[in-house]
Amino acid sequence: QSALTQPASVSGSPGQSITISCTGTSSDIGAYNYVYWYQHHPGKAPRLIIYDVNIRPSGVPDRFSGSKSGNTASLTISGLQPEDEAVYHCSAYGRESVGAALFGGGTQVTVL
Amino acid sequence: EVQLLESGGGFVQPGGSLRLSCEASGFTFDNYAMTWVRQAPGKGLEWVATISGHGRNTYYADSMRGRFTISRDNSKNRLFLQLHSLTEHTAVYYCAKNLLFDSLVGSDSWGQGALLIVSS
Repeated sequence: QSALTQPASVSGSPGQSITISCTGTSSDIGAYNYVYWYQHHPGKAPRLIIYDVNIRPSGVPDRFSGSKSGNTASLTISGLQPEDEAVYHCSAYGRESVGAALFGGGTQVTVL
Repeated sequence: EVQLLESGGGFVQPGGSLRLSCEASGFTFDNYAMTWVRQAPGKGLEWVATISGHGRNTYYADSMRGRFTISRDNSKNRLFLQLHSLTEHTAVYYCAKNLLFDSLVGSDSWGQGALLIVSS
């Protein structure tokens, strides 16, 4: 069982907006602005698409956006594209014991 | 362009040991912390360990501490993961470059992964 909770799957039609949630606790997502989102296509290297809750690295389309409220972080994909079909993983810093990098179980995004 | 190339994966018998390597290029290696993350079949990503840019600070997931050892050779731009007493450790192991010199989380470049299969 992963430390952060994500829905197993989310789907949408091209052009629609979808949101993926990532729920943690007051010791990780709720305590720090160290939340990351990765896009992972099968057989490829994961790609960082959001860091520090809501910052997009250079080259990431602005249809990807991140936010946080309390112990839950969210990734929104606006204007869904076929190439957005992938698994999305959230990650966060957690202060339990000496500190840890936590991951969610991943969310499969399907473009209908 | 940042490139990370893992090697050393393969078949290992239960109880065995293995060392994974990651060759880095395209960036100033000792300026960044480096991380190993694994993904078991059908599971999500799981953080394994992180090492600071100078190599003096190491961090491990609780379940990995004592069995895995992360290290780096900055003179050769290489990251390593030594695995001991392998049992249920079948997974793809990814090498990743972190955003900062001594950050535990946040990796902006990843390798393609090395598959490790623990089986008799």
